[in-house]
Amino acid sequence: EVQLLDSGGGLVQPGGSLRLSCAASGFTFSSYAMGWVRQAPGKGLEWVSGISGSGDSTYYADSVKGRFTISRDNSKKVVYLQMKGLRVDDTAVYFCSKDLAGYSTGWYGGDSWGQGTLVTVSS
Amino acid sequence: DIQMTQSPSSLSASVGDRVTITCRASLTIASYLNWYQQKPGRAPKLLVFAASTLLNGVPSRFSGSGSGTDFTLTISSLQPEDFATYYCQQSYSTPPTFGQGTKVEIK
Repeated sequence: EVQLLDSGGGLVQPGGSLRLSCAASGFTFSSYAMGWVRQAPGKGLEWVSGISGSGDSTYYADSVKGRFTISRDNSKKVVYLQMKGLRVDDTAVYFCSKDLAGYSTGWYGGDSWGQGTLVTVSS
Repeated sequence: DIQMTQSPSSLSASVGDRVTITCRASLTIASYLNWYQQKPGRAPKLLVFAASTLLNGVPSRFSGSGSGTDFTLTISSLQPEDFATYYCQQSYSTPPTFGQGTKVEIK
Protein backbone atom coordinates (compact mmCIF):
# COMPACT_ATOMS: atom_id res chain seq x y z
CA GLU A 1 0.00 0.00 0.00
CA VAL A 2 1.34 3.40 -0.98
CA GLN A 3 1.78 5.74 1.97
CA LEU A 4 2.98 9.33 2.01
CA LEU A 5 3.57 11.12 5.31
CA ASP A 6 3.95 14.90 5.15
CA SER A 7 5.64 16.79 7.96
CA GLY A 8 7.49 19.98 8.81
CA GLY A 9 4.76 22.59 8.72
CA GLY A 10 4.29 25.25 11.35
CA LEU A 11 4.08 28.93 12.12
CA VAL A 12 6.79 31.12 10.68
CA GLN A 13 7.27 34.87 10.34
CA PRO A 14 7.35 36.58 6.96
CA GLY A 15 10.80 36.21 5.45
CA GLY A 16 11.45 33.02 7.39
CA SER A 17 12.29 29.51 6.26
CA LEU A 18 10.83 26.07 6.67
CA ARG A 19 11.60 22.63 5.29
CA LEU A 20 8.82 20.19 4.53
CA SER A 21 9.40 16.45 4.29
CA CYS A 22 7.41 13.65 2.73
CA ALA A 23 8.29 10.08 3.69
CA ALA A 24 7.17 7.48 1.18
CA SER A 25 6.60 3.75 1.36
CA GLY A 26 4.87 0.99 -0.55
CA PHE A 27 6.25 1.66 -4.05
CA THR A 28 9.54 1.88 -5.94
CA PHE A 29 10.26 5.45 -4.90
CA SER A 30 13.04 6.22 -7.37
CA SER A 31 10.82 5.28 -10.32
CA TYR A 32 8.28 8.02 -9.74
CA ALA A 33 8.27 11.76 -10.00
CA MET A 34 6.95 13.54 -6.93
CA GLY A 35 5.23 16.86 -6.49
CA TRP A 36 4.03 19.37 -3.94
CA VAL A 37 0.58 20.92 -4.24
CA ARG A 38 -0.78 23.54 -1.85
CA GLN A 39 -4.19 24.77 -0.83
CA ALA A 40 -4.66 28.15 0.82
CA PRO A 41 -7.47 28.31 3.42
CA GLY A 42 -10.82 28.05 1.67
CA LYS A 43 -9.20 28.08 -1.78
CA GLY A 44 -8.47 25.64 -4.57
CA LEU A 45 -5.46 23.51 -5.42
CA GLU A 46 -2.22 25.00 -6.71
CA TRP A 47 0.75 23.00 -7.99
CA VAL A 48 3.97 24.25 -6.39
CA SER A 49 6.85 22.06 -7.54
CA GLY A 50 7.79 18.73 -9.08
CA ILE A 51 10.89 16.54 -9.29
CA SER A 52 11.77 13.59 -11.49
CA GLY A 53 12.44 10.14 -10.05
CA SER A 54 16.18 10.56 -10.36
CA GLY A 55 16.08 14.08 -8.98
CA ASP A 56 17.82 15.45 -12.08
CA SER A 57 14.84 17.52 -13.22
CA THR A 58 12.99 20.02 -11.07
CA TYR A 59 10.12 22.37 -11.81
CA TYR A 60 8.54 25.29 -9.98
CA ALA A 61 5.49 27.48 -10.14
CA ASP A 62 6.36 31.08 -10.96
CA SER A 63 4.96 32.11 -7.57
CA VAL A 64 7.71 30.21 -5.71
CA LYS A 65 10.59 30.17 -8.19
CA GLY A 66 13.80 31.37 -6.60
CA ARG A 67 12.44 30.93 -3.07
CA PHE A 68 11.55 27.22 -2.86
CA THR A 69 13.78 24.22 -3.62
CA ILE A 70 12.57 20.68 -4.12
CA SER A 71 14.90 17.74 -3.60
CA ARG A 72 14.75 14.05 -2.85
CA ASP A 73 16.80 11.35 -1.17
CA ASN A 74 16.03 8.08 -2.91
CA SER A 75 18.00 6.07 -0.37
CA LYS A 76 15.73 7.37 2.40
CA LYS A 77 12.58 7.55 0.22
CA VAL A 78 11.96 11.15 1.20
CA VAL A 79 11.13 14.26 -0.82
CA TYR A 80 11.75 17.71 0.59
CA LEU A 81 10.53 21.22 -0.04
CA GLN A 82 12.88 23.89 1.30
CA MET A 83 11.00 27.16 1.58
CA LYS A 84 12.79 30.48 2.06
CA GLY A 85 11.62 34.07 1.95
CA LEU A 86 8.17 32.98 3.05
CA ARG A 87 5.32 35.39 2.44
CA VAL A 88 1.88 35.69 3.98
CA ASP A 89 0.36 34.38 0.75
CA ASP A 90 2.36 31.15 1.09
CA THR A 91 0.04 30.20 3.96
CA ALA A 92 -1.56 26.92 2.96
CA VAL A 93 -1.80 23.21 3.53
CA TYR A 94 0.99 21.59 1.55
CA PHE A 95 0.42 18.10 0.13
CA CYS A 96 3.06 15.86 -1.36
CA SER A 97 1.89 13.61 -4.15
CA LYS A 98 3.18 10.67 -6.17
CA ASP A 99 2.95 11.03 -9.94
CA LEU A 100 0.50 8.59 -11.45
CA ALA A 101 2.87 7.45 -14.21
CA GLY A 102 6.26 5.88 -13.66
CA TYR A 103 9.40 7.34 -15.20
CA SER A 104 7.87 10.70 -16.06
CA THR A 105 10.17 13.69 -15.93
CA GLY A 106 7.92 15.66 -13.63
CA TRP A 107 4.70 15.58 -11.67
CA TYR A 108 1.69 15.65 -13.98
CA GLY A 109 -1.01 14.28 -11.71
CA GLY A 110 -1.16 12.43 -8.43
CA ASP A 111 -2.63 9.03 -7.67
CA SER A 112 -1.47 9.11 -4.06
CA TRP A 113 -1.30 12.02 -1.64
CA GLY A 114 0.02 12.76 1.82
CA GLN A 115 -2.30 14.02 4.51
CA GLY A 116 -0.97 17.54 4.20
CA THR A 117 0.99 19.80 6.50
CA LEU A 118 -0.10 23.33 7.39
CA VAL A 119 2.27 26.23 6.84
CA THR A 120 1.20 29.51 8.41
CA VAL A 121 3.16 32.65 7.61
CA SER A 122 2.28 35.44 9.98
CA SER A 123 3.88 38.03 12.21
CA ASP B 1 0.02 28.72 -18.58
CA ILE B 2 -3.08 26.76 -19.52
CA GLN B 3 -6.18 28.03 -17.72
CA MET B 4 -8.80 25.53 -16.59
CA THR B 5 -12.35 26.73 -16.05
CA GLN B 6 -14.96 24.60 -14.35
CA SER B 7 -18.70 25.07 -14.31
CA PRO B 8 -20.71 25.36 -12.28
CA SER B 9 -18.75 26.56 -9.24
CA SER B 10 -21.31 24.86 -7.04
CA LEU B 11 -24.47 22.84 -7.38
CA SER B 12 -27.15 21.38 -5.16
CA ALA B 13 -28.41 17.91 -5.90
CA SER B 14 -30.29 15.05 -4.29
CA VAL B 15 -29.24 11.47 -3.74
CA GLY B 16 -29.92 9.55 -6.93
CA ASP B 17 -29.56 12.57 -9.23
CA ARG B 18 -27.37 12.55 -12.30
CA VAL B 19 -24.70 15.24 -11.99
CA THR B 20 -22.47 16.67 -14.71
CA ILE B 21 -19.49 18.96 -14.15
CA THR B 22 -17.72 20.59 -17.07
CA CYS B 23 -14.12 21.70 -17.46
CA ARG B 24 -12.75 23.83 -20.27
CA ALA B 25 -9.09 24.34 -21.10
CA SER B 26 -7.77 27.59 -22.58
CA LEU B 27 -5.70 25.58 -25.10
CA THR B 28 -6.14 22.14 -26.57
CA ILE B 29 -4.80 19.48 -24.21
CA ALA B 30 -5.76 16.29 -26.10
CA SER B 31 -6.86 13.87 -23.35
CA TYR B 32 -4.40 15.03 -20.69
CA LEU B 33 -7.05 15.69 -18.09
CA ASN B 34 -7.47 14.36 -14.56
CA TRP B 35 -10.40 14.63 -12.14
CA TYR B 36 -10.13 14.67 -8.35
CA GLN B 37 -12.56 14.53 -5.47
CA GLN B 38 -11.77 16.34 -2.23
CA LYS B 39 -13.67 16.23 1.03
CA PRO B 40 -13.19 18.85 3.78
CA GLY B 41 -9.94 18.42 5.68
CA ARG B 42 -8.79 15.61 3.40
CA ALA B 43 -6.29 15.22 0.60
CA PRO B 44 -7.55 15.10 -2.98
CA LYS B 45 -8.39 11.70 -4.38
CA LEU B 46 -7.78 10.89 -8.04
CA LEU B 47 -10.91 9.58 -9.76
CA VAL B 48 -10.24 9.77 -13.50
CA PHE B 49 -7.05 10.17 -15.54
CA ALA B 50 -6.47 10.59 -19.26
CA ALA B 51 -9.93 12.16 -19.46
CA SER B 52 -11.91 8.92 -19.28
CA THR B 53 -9.96 6.19 -17.43
CA LEU B 54 -11.25 5.39 -13.97
CA LEU B 55 -8.64 4.68 -11.33
CA ASN B 56 -8.92 1.16 -9.89
CA GLY B 57 -11.51 1.06 -7.12
CA VAL B 58 -13.45 4.14 -8.21
CA PRO B 59 -17.17 3.34 -8.44
CA SER B 60 -18.52 2.91 -11.94
CA ARG B 61 -21.15 5.64 -11.38
CA PHE B 62 -18.28 8.07 -12.10
CA SER B 63 -17.33 8.63 -15.72
CA GLY B 64 -15.21 11.11 -17.62
CA SER B 65 -15.34 12.19 -21.23
CA GLY B 66 -14.02 14.76 -23.65
CA SER B 67 -10.88 15.72 -25.50
CA GLY B 68 -9.28 18.85 -26.86
CA THR B 69 -10.64 21.69 -24.74
CA ASP B 70 -13.96 20.45 -23.34
CA PHE B 71 -14.37 17.76 -20.71
CA THR B 72 -17.06 16.42 -18.41
CA LEU B 73 -17.24 14.42 -15.21
CA THR B 74 -20.56 12.65 -14.71
CA ILE B 75 -21.93 10.96 -11.62
CA SER B 76 -24.77 8.79 -12.84
CA SER B 77 -26.55 8.40 -9.51
CA LEU B 78 -25.32 10.63 -6.71
CA GLN B 79 -24.61 8.86 -3.44
CA PRO B 80 -24.27 10.42 0.05
CA GLU B 81 -20.51 9.90 0.03
CA ASP B 82 -20.19 11.86 -3.25
CA PHE B 83 -20.89 15.24 -1.67
CA ALA B 84 -17.52 16.92 -2.03
CA THR B 85 -15.56 19.36 -4.17
CA TYR B 86 -14.35 18.19 -7.58
CA TYR B 87 -11.32 19.55 -9.45
CA CYS B 88 -10.09 19.04 -12.97
CA GLN B 89 -6.37 19.30 -13.72
CA GLN B 90 -4.50 19.38 -17.00
CA SER B 91 -1.37 17.26 -17.36
CA TYR B 92 -0.51 18.40 -20.89
CA SER B 93 2.16 20.92 -19.98
CA THR B 94 4.09 22.43 -17.11
CA PRO B 95 2.86 24.00 -14.94
CA PRO B 96 0.05 21.52 -14.31
CA THR B 97 -3.00 23.62 -13.54
CA PHE B 98 -6.28 22.99 -11.76
CA GLY B 99 -9.78 24.24 -12.25
CA GLN B 100 -11.23 26.36 -9.47
CA GLY B 101 -13.37 23.49 -8.19
CA THR B 102 -17.04 22.52 -8.19
CA LYS B 103 -18.70 22.01 -4.83
CA VAL B 104 -21.49 19.43 -4.86
CA GLU B 105 -23.89 20.03 -2.00
CA ILE B 106 -26.96 18.30 -0.68
CA LYS B 107 -30.27 19.76 -1.81
